[in-house]
Amino acid sequence: GNSVTQMEGPVTLSEEAFLTINCTYTATGYPSLFWYVQYPGEGLQLLLKATKADDKGSNKGFEATYRKETTSFHLEKGSVQVSDSAVYFCALNTGNQFYFGTGTSLTVIP
Amino acid sequence: DTGVSQDPRHKITKRGQNVTFRCDPISEHNRLYWYRQTLGQGPEFLTYFQNEAQLEKSRLLSDRFSAERPKGSFSTLEIQRTEQGDSAMYLCASSPATSGREDTQYFGPGTRLTVL
Repeated sequence: GNSVTQMEGPVTLSEEAFLTINCTYTATGYPSLFWYVQYPGEGLQLLLKATKADDKGSNKGFEATYRKETTSFHLEKGSVQVSDSAVYFCALNTGNQFYFGTGTSLTVIP
Repeated sequence: DTGVSQDPRHKITKRGQNVTFRCDPISEHNRLYWYRQTLGQGPEFLTYFQNEAQLEKSRLLSDRFSAERPKGSFSTLEIQRTEQGDSAMYLCASSPATSGREDTQYFGPGTRLTVL
């Protein structure tokens, strides 16, 4: 079946630290991969996506590379800010259905 | 672009009652999705519409759940004979028909259901 496994949180980092949130997936076919972010009190927002192997999605300083050989889509940011504090969800789309991970809570302290 | 709206934002009901939620997608979006999210979990796919046609239904969508999108615009999700296990946030999302963007979902704020 299709599924997404995310690094468990919560994650607490100091401002300007390097961030990695791991995401691996199981899927039939060739899914598209996504990272969504949910800021406190707000709805889910698309952060970035990649539609095929070796594609790199990027937005707001965040990056993730679609690695078919390791079935991974890890989220990275070189220098986090307090405003990046949120819950991050990895997701895949196999066509008409989306599958989300359980979310990773990130808190960035000044 | 006024975003996806959902109504009501909160609903408290007693076990056994029926509830109905409404979702208004972004106006030019032809795809509409319903999800359920419980605390500490990611959204779980329930069903998907393309225009007025319901194209996918999750096995999570028991026969107590029904969704409609009669004119390809707004959608309703009804839960009959609610159970305490139905307590969750119900999310709606829409996406455009534009090639290459059809999987870019825009989420609404959700309807939080509490079943007593």
